Amino acid sequence: GQQVQQSPASLVLQEGENAELQCNFSSTATQLQWFYQRPGGSLVSLLYNPSGTKHTGRLTSTTVTKERRSSLHISSSQITDSGTYFCAMKAGANTGKLTFGHGTILRVHP
Amino acid sequence: EAAVTQSPRNKVTVTGGNVTLSCRQTNSHNYMYWYRQDTGHGLRLIHYSYGAGNLQIGDVPDGYKATRTTQEDFFLLLELASPSQTSLYFCASSERGGARYTQYFGPGTRLLVL
Repeated sequence: GQQVQQSPASLVLQEGENAELQCNFSSTATQLQWFYQRPGGSLVSLLYNPSGTKHTGRLTSTTVTKERRSSLHISSSQITDSGTYFCAMKAGANTGKLTFGHGTILRVHP
Repeated sequence: EAAVTQSPRNKVTVTGGNVTLSCRQTNSHNYMYWYRQDTGHGLRLIHYSYGAGNLQIGDVPDGYKATRTTQEDFFLLLELASPSQTSLYFCASSERGGARYTQYFGPGTRLLVL
């Protein structure tokens, strides 16, 4: 089945710095989504990006399907961006389930 | 926005005990999911369903049963709980399967098996 690797495992930034999170997957992805989990909280969807570049607010995701990778760029990080970021993708052609990466823990300090 | 609620929010049981975790979604989504989240493993899918009466096996189903009684309600059953099932459990729902359709997550249930 699909395997998803995220890097780095954790990242510490000063407020205002940019963050770059990576997601690599084992087979050509047909669908990819980024999620955010605030500390101690639930998950929310950030971006659906199966290919190319997508923007929302301070977030930019770039997915290069043939290279089996996706990135999430957070510009001008804020303390409230702290939490865990997951990428997830469709586990296979004939399934409705997602495979999640292990996440990147982001801590933004003042 | 879709509303997904879970109960209980916290549960403590003993080894061998019976536990039922409940999930309800109010947006008439077709798909519902049960995940567990553990440090070092991220989110792992236990079971999912694409409609009332339907059940699909996830990636870590051993020791768990699930039942989708209505469009809105999805239950996770641990009939003989073990300490290895101590975890944070999330329920989610989506209109359809795959990543194209946003999954909306509930607040989670913390389960401790002593």
